[in-house]
Amino acid sequence: GAVVSQHPSRVICKSGTSVKIECRSLDFQATTMFWYRQFPKQSLMLMATSNEGSKATYEQGVEKDKFLINHASLTLSTLTVTSAHPEDSSFYICSAKKGTGDTGELFFGEGSRLTVL
Amino acid sequence: GQNIDQPTEMTATEGAIVQINCTYQTSGFNGLFWYQQHAGEAPTFLSYNVLDGLEEKGRFSSFLSRSKGYSYLLLKELQMKDSAPYLCAVSDSNYQLIWGAGTKLIIKP
Repeated sequence: GAVVSQHPSRVICKSGTSVKIECRSLDFQATTMFWYRQFPKQSLMLMATSNEGSKATYEQGVEKDKFLINHASLTLSTLTVTSAHPEDSSFYICSAKKGTGDTGELFFGEGSRLTVL
Repeated sequence: GQNIDQPTEMTATEGAIVQINCTYQTSGFNGLFWYQQHAGEAPTFLSYNVLDGLEEKGRFSSFLSRSKGYSYLLLKELQMKDSAPYLCAVSDSNYQLIWGAGTKLIIKP
């Protein structure tokens, strides 16, 4: 199977600072990547769809100025949580689509746990 | 290394019961998740097991044996809409999610 890697896996930051999380597809090119947030024992909540070379598409209720997404290459998408607050503490997961169209298979990263103090 | 194994594909009949197995080897264990994923959608949470035993939730049940590194998802009274990939994921000692490759469940009339 394909490999998707996230970095950092855990990060602790102070309130008001910004944190960048990277999502890389290691052995395939991904035109589309997705960013999710997971609350304890709940489904992954899709935050945004990231398309290489264009602006991300955000889901309703997700602040695009707070959660900055950049998909600068076919193997890398980044999520920056700006001016982080304790309520932003969560588990953030990315996935990358291998292949195109609806038949593309999704591969998930290991997740990044953000703790905002 | 860390490893999650589940069958690639399973076929079952509408109205029947199917069991999807998942075995794991991880550095630490903080729970096992089962997700259902329809194409183009975010995975839907089905169950979370952290203690040994069976958790029942309607037509879906999930079982865990930590000593055996084994879990299964049991689906009863299968419906055509249950056709989907089912993902097993384990939270390791660092709370990172280790994902299985998914089991594609095909339901036939």
